[in-house]
Amino acid sequence: AQSVAQPEDQVNVAEGNPLTVKCTYSVSGNPYLFWYVQYPNRGLQFLLKYITGDNLVKGSYGFEAEFNKSQTSFHLKKPSALVSDSALYFCAVRDSSGSARQLTFGSGTQLTVLP
Amino acid sequence: SAVISQKPSRDICQRGTSLTIQCQVDSQVTMMFWYRQQPGQSLTLIATANQGSEATYESGFVIDKFPISRPNLTFSTLTVSNMSPEDSSIYLCSVRAGMTSGSGANVLTFGAGSRLTVL
Repeated sequence: AQSVAQPEDQVNVAEGNPLTVKCTYSVSGNPYLFWYVQYPNRGLQFLLKYITGDNLVKGSYGFEAEFNKSQTSFHLKKPSALVSDSALYFCAVRDSSGSARQLTFGSGTQLTVLP
Repeated sequence: SAVISQKPSRDICQRGTSLTIQCQVDSQVTMMFWYRQQPGQSLTLIATANQGSEATYESGFVIDKFPISRPNLTFSTLTVSNMSPEDSSIYLCSVRAGMTSGSGANVLTFGAGSRLTVL
């Protein structure tokens, strides 16, 4: 079985400060990992993904995430937060072994960037 | 990537009624996915809609409650039947972006969602 955990329901950060949104996962094989963002009254938008290769993945809007196999984590980061980054962020995982048909999403983390 | 249009964007419904949500994609896709996002919770896959065959439902979801149509490669509908307040959710349509092999790595593109409130 595959699962993903986002331990923080809410993250607050001041504009210009670095931000981190945490995600840990569990799969039986190797993971495919994704981050999506949901702005109010909008559908989910893809930010970045890790499939294989370099552990540091760069994505849209200046976001990046680091795959850490030993800690089974895929934390989302941005060096300098913007007020416009305020949104709901979802981590998702799929086991590359193919035993699961679809993605499993985390519970989401509400990011608020304070001006 | 594909552009997905969903309607209605929101609706308020009475208990016991049914509502059909439409999903239109601007390109042909093999599979379309329907998700539910309950208030304050994550996304849960309801079913996968395949053109030319019956939808595949995930555990906990049944065709009688959530009938799905897939008449062609660009369109699908999800009906929420005999609604109760517990059905108040955002319902999202999605497709895989691109046609690369290794579909597990494919990114999902989502519609804006349909927010249902059942009184």
